[in-house]
Amino acid sequence: DIQMTQSPSSLSASVGDRVTITCRASQSMSSYLNWYQQKPGKAPKLLIYAASSLQSGVPSRFSGSGSGTDFTLTISSLQPEDFATYYCQQSFSTPHTFGQGTKLEIK
Amino acid sequence: QVQLQESGPGLVQPSETLSLTCTVSGGSVSSGSYYWSWIRQPPGKGLEWIGYIYHSGSTNYNPSLKSRVTISVDTSKNQFSLKLSSVTAADTAVYYCARYGTSRGSLAFDYWGQGTLVTVSS
Repeated sequence: DIQMTQSPSSLSASVGDRVTITCRASQSMSSYLNWYQQKPGKAPKLLIYAASSLQSGVPSRFSGSGSGTDFTLTISSLQPEDFATYYCQQSFSTPHTFGQGTKLEIK
Repeated sequence: QVQLQESGPGLVQPSETLSLTCTVSGGSVSSGSYYWSWIRQPPGKGLEWIGYIYHSGSTNYNPSLKSRVTISVDTSKNQFSLKLSSVTAADTAVYYCARYGTSRGSLAFDYWGQGTLVTVSS
């Protein structure tokens, strides 16, 4: 199985901040990496697919980059509605695996 | 707009079989462009992929659960289902159904149900 490790596990930031979350895979997987946002009591929402493609309807302040084993999710200017937990997920091979999550909290 | 909705018992006895159904609207489980998936999340924890099914009935399961999981599809009802046998308290989780794209540019879980909490307890 491909292990996905996110850092940090939690992060405190303020509205307007630029935030970067990192995801590292245990083996190279090209650009087969997706990012999701999950708010309490809700299902995850797809933000970024194929490492850098923005899902339809997702604000452009979200961006993704990386390939191989190292990937990043960047939020250029945090908005109040962005405080949530973020997960990466690999689609390179089954079993599809997720990172442990990064909880983004208000400072 | 594609919508998925999970249904099934919220309480299951230990050693019994958990059974859930996902009803799809605004799209078809017969589409060759998607796999139909189950994912779970124990309370306060991360996400675990359980498996998925193609409209043909072809399945792919997480090896960690494979011996206990069966996913099936009913194209006439536009539904797919999950059965997880011999459950224990460790199977207590929110269970989500989700759609997963099959083409290179869409290999992601793009639509999700709202999730249903299943508690394993006597």
